[in-house]
Amino acid sequence: QVQLAESGGGVVQPGGSLRLSCAASGFTFNNFGIHWVRQAPGKGLEWVAVVWFDGSREYYAESVKGRFTISRDNSENTVFLQMHSLRGEDTAVYYCARSSAYDGSSFDSWGQGTLVTVSS
Amino acid sequence: DIQMTQSPSTLSASVGDRVTITCRASQTITNWLAWYQQKQGKAPKLLIYKASNLARGVPSRFSAIESGTEFTLTISSLQPDDFATYYCQQYNYYPFTFGGGTKVEIK
Repeated sequence: QVQLAESGGGVVQPGGSLRLSCAASGFTFNNFGIHWVRQAPGKGLEWVAVVWFDGSREYYAESVKGRFTISRDNSENTVFLQMHSLRGEDTAVYYCARSSAYDGSSFDSWGQGTLVTVSS
Repeated sequence: DIQMTQSPSTLSASVGDRVTITCRASQTITNWLAWYQQKQGKAPKLLIYKASNLARGVPSRFSAIESGTEFTLTISSLQPDDFATYYCQQYNYYPFTFGGGTKVEIK
């Protein structure tokens, strides 16, 4: 079955960096785009970034543009989110999600999430 | 960016009730809209894609329609497993955007 597993979360000081990973299994990884979505404590969902199936395109939310970079390694079935210049407002659970097999754009599978806490 | 306005933000209902949640887009998104269900401490789950299509394994008591820029999710007879938070999401344009969520609580 389709599985996504995030890792790399933790506590980081403001201005610091962190790299999240999303390891995929159970499907043909290089056929699907992968997104990152975050959820601040007690808040709603916020789309963060996407990388296309072949890594040819990336898109970002304005709130992270220039600070975060999404990438993928199709040989390792893994997507990364490199985060720099972290701020308190980046504190959230970060989920990776797969572009759906239904329409190529909704999110039909999600990981369990990894918590990033930005605090001094 | 496209704004997704979801209402109500909270809804109190009883088992067996018919429940309706609305989402309005700030501009046309054709039918590129999804609905997700999220339970406390868990990842969201896809319920509906392309405005009105039920994802595999989702009970038929869930349904959804579109009317221009207004989208509606209906639960025909609320079950105990349905108490959760529901989000709409547009995916017609980047950045993809979510509605603020509707928490369905037990009355």
